[in-house]
Parts: sequence; structure tokens; C-alpha cells
Amino acid sequence: SQQGEEDPQALSIQEGENATMNCSYKTSINNLQWYRQNSGRGLVHLILIRSNEREKHSGRLRVTLDTSKKSSSLLITASRAADTASYFCATDVSGANNLFFGTGTRLTVIP
Amino acid sequence: EAQVTQNPRYLITVTGKKLTVTCSQNMNHEYMSWYRQDPGLGLRQIYYSMNVEVTDKGDVPEGYKVSRKEKRNFPLILESPSPNQTSLYFCAAGAYEQYFGPGTRLTVT
Repeated sequence: SQQGEEDPQALSIQEGENATMNCSYKTSINNLQWYRQNSGRGLVHLILIRSNEREKHSGRLRVTLDTSKKSSSLLITASRAADTASYFCATDVSGANNLFFGTGTRLTVIP
Repeated sequence: EAQVTQNPRYLITVTGKKLTVTCSQNMNHEYMSWYRQDPGLGLRQIYYSMNVEVTDKGDVPEGYKVSRKEKRNFPLILESPSPNQTSLYFCAAGAYEQYFGPGTRLTVT
């Protein structure tokens, strides 16, 4: 399976702290995406990083990609209670939008 | 407002009774797909469609059918549901940034 794996499975932090989640995958990719899911709801796209990019920012989000290690990390700075959710990485191997999702990191931000 | 809608949102049915979950998008995206989400397994792609009349299998297509007769609609069909198809189902539309529907929670008894 080309499915990614997130680490840790669960993370609990205080409001204002930074949260870092990691994703490892198995095959070469065209791009890697991060999604957020609030409990039982649909996923929301956060950010996409292409295989030729190493770092990308969007607001309080910072994503890095290391294709040599087949890994990515998502950093959420100055976390808020509203950031409490599950976060998934998804790899697009061919660029044809067929995404392979990891099992997610459950983030809890304590007010 | 960009939207992907699914119906029904909740469904309890019995083994073997054919059902259809509808999916509709208003963004004119060519690409649509179906996923199922199970605890500990993340999201797995069932089928996807690159355009009208073009569909292909994803990771877990067994027991499912789809059709894409028009761009906005991509229904998921379970001809003979079984209990192992009890899951949370998501439809998505879009290229690169995929927009997800709200989900359909299906229970097969």
C-alpha cells in the first residue's frame, strides 16, 4: 500500500504552543497534501506541497517535505482550541489526484 | 458557495438490499471520487472519475459500483450490501485541492 503514516497518532498540547505532526510514505510522489477533519465531518484541504518544493507556508501552517526520506511534517504555530481536529496527510503519486491517505494524527488543544 | 452534497447523511439498511448514495457538486470539477473511512484505517479510495463516462477503481472497489453520466453527479451504488460495508463514506470533487462532502454514515445489519 502507498498509504502514508502519521506520527504521533495523538497529540495533546496547551493553547499557544506549537504542534508538529509527521507523515511518512512509501513511494515517489507528485505532491503531498494535508487535510483537517473535525469529528465525523468532511475533510478540509489545508495545504499542498509539490515534490520539487521543500517548504511551504500558509498562515500559521508550515509544511516541509523531504523526498529523500519520504517524509513530511506539518507545524501549526500558536495553536488555538479551534485547531482541535484530526490531521491527515495524503500522497498523490501520479499527479492524477488519486490520493492515498494516512491514518491521521488526533490533535487536542487545551484552552 | 462551492459545495459537495451527499444524500442520505445517515442510513441503516439490511444485508442484500440495494442502495445508492448520491453525490453532487456545483464547482464544475472534472475529477470526483469516493472514499470510505474506518477507525484505524484512515480514508481509502473506492472509485474515482476523471470525467463524464470515465471511472476507475481505487484501493477498495469490491462490492461497489459507480456511474458518471453527468459532470455534477457521481452516485455510489451498493448492489448487495454486507455488514463489512458499514462505514463512513465521503464523496470528493476537485483537482489537487479536493472538496469533501459532509459524509454518509452507513450501517448494514
